[in-house]
Amino acid sequence: DTEVTQTPKHLVMGMTNKKSLKCEQHMGHRAMYWYKQKAKKPPELMFVYSYEKLSINESVPSRFSPECPNSSLLNLHLHALQPEDSALYLCASSQGFFEKLFFGSGTQLSVL
Amino acid sequence: AQKVTQAQTEISVVEKEDVTLDCVYETRDTTYYLFWYKQPPSGELVFLIRRNSFDEQNEISGRYSWNFQKSTSSFNFTITASQVVDSAVYFCALANAGGTSYGKLTFGQGTILTVHP
Repeated sequence: DTEVTQTPKHLVMGMTNKKSLKCEQHMGHRAMYWYKQKAKKPPELMFVYSYEKLSINESVPSRFSPECPNSSLLNLHLHALQPEDSALYLCASSQGFFEKLFFGSGTQLSVL
Repeated sequence: AQKVTQAQTEISVVEKEDVTLDCVYETRDTTYYLFWYKQPPSGELVFLIRRNSFDEQNEISGRYSWNFQKSTSSFNFTITASQVVDSAVYFCALANAGGTSYGKLTFGQGTILTVHP
């Protein structure tokens, strides 16, 4: 199984809603990532977990809250988002920091 | 600081043409890793290749080839005999193995490749 599975694929939420994005991998990878990608732009790193501990936080606003419950799961909790947060949110995993990343197909998020 | 520049925003070719996507990088570290990823219209990024800074050997994989030149800080990607299925956005990326950017993958702006039948 060489897949990274993200749910949901699409999400529309209001600015007062609370929602969560989920990501799962069963490749035994110990590094997991959240990226944000706006249309026609490259992915931007948000968070990195290594061995289930948050190791990189790219100064992301607190309305985004990551969680790594175990080595296979990664969540991104969303609260009080702004319309400018609308984007494709990509999860990825890798064996280590400098190994190839396996990406999920992403969650297309729209904030109204 | 690390930076990746893909000067070609969009390239359009006709099937069977060869096409080269340019990538120029900047880094102060001596140990780093370079990558190419493909993002087809479906949206999922797909890994193509990884190179470390100590390995300047060029690589060929089927119709794909990569030319890594440290002297010009370039890591160019060539598709030979392009096909419609090669249409995608291609990203070059850099990860430093030192300093404050340790482990962070920096992407270039991407090159949109369209291959017409």
